[in-house]
Amino acid sequence: NAGVTQTPKFRILKIGQSMTLQCTQDMNHNYMYWYRQDPGMGLKLIYYSVGAGITDKGEVPNGYNVSRSTTEDFPLRLELAAPSQTSVYFCASSLDTTGGYTFGSGTRLTVV
Amino acid sequence: RKEVEQDPGPFNVPEGATVAFNCTYSNSASQSFFWYRQDCRKEPKLLMSVYSSGNEDGRFTAQLNRASQYISLLIRDSKLSDSATYLCVVRGGSQGNLIFGKGTKLSVKP
Repeated sequence: NAGVTQTPKFRILKIGQSMTLQCTQDMNHNYMYWYRQDPGMGLKLIYYSVGAGITDKGEVPNGYNVSRSTTEDFPLRLELAAPSQTSVYFCASSLDTTGGYTFGSGTRLTVV
Repeated sequence: RKEVEQDPGPFNVPEGATVAFNCTYSNSASQSFFWYRQDCRKEPKLLMSVYSSGNEDGRFTAQLNRASQYISLLIRDSKLSDSATYLCVVRGGSQGNLIFGKGTKLSVKP
């Protein structure tokens, strides 16, 4: 049981480039989330999804897009990378809205 | 007032010590509470849920005071392996998602 899998683990982007952070879960969880964590800061919610075909903005959605075509996958898209998007990105999932989340191991992104 | 506030620490304690972390939250309607542990350069992992009656898991005890909107975590007989950042987490906000505190860093020394 792999849980939540994120790829890539590390990435360096140039300003203006685009990329997709991949997230897959094999626990048949309905809810999936993308967070970013900056040094010394708490996790900030970027986008979340309550099921396939449904996504919604979190606290810091600007500069990002998501899609949820299947229960398993929840990719995060950066269209025009900016230095302010340098961060660690965590994907998470949960079965419902009562328990905690299971996190992936994160993607460390640097934009130069 | 921030949604979830924690003392950032660091807390530097010797092995065997008892250490307590505190957390306050702003949304009185919050329904679920958790403590997560995050090791350096790793993902957060659920340590324990926090229940109104208080709950214990081995050396860890969590308490919730809804009237004061206050959550605590007590670690007894600290081990070197307890060194990590402890995140106070509250389910709330306008969308009912988990809201994370910035974390309290614990360093247990020999």
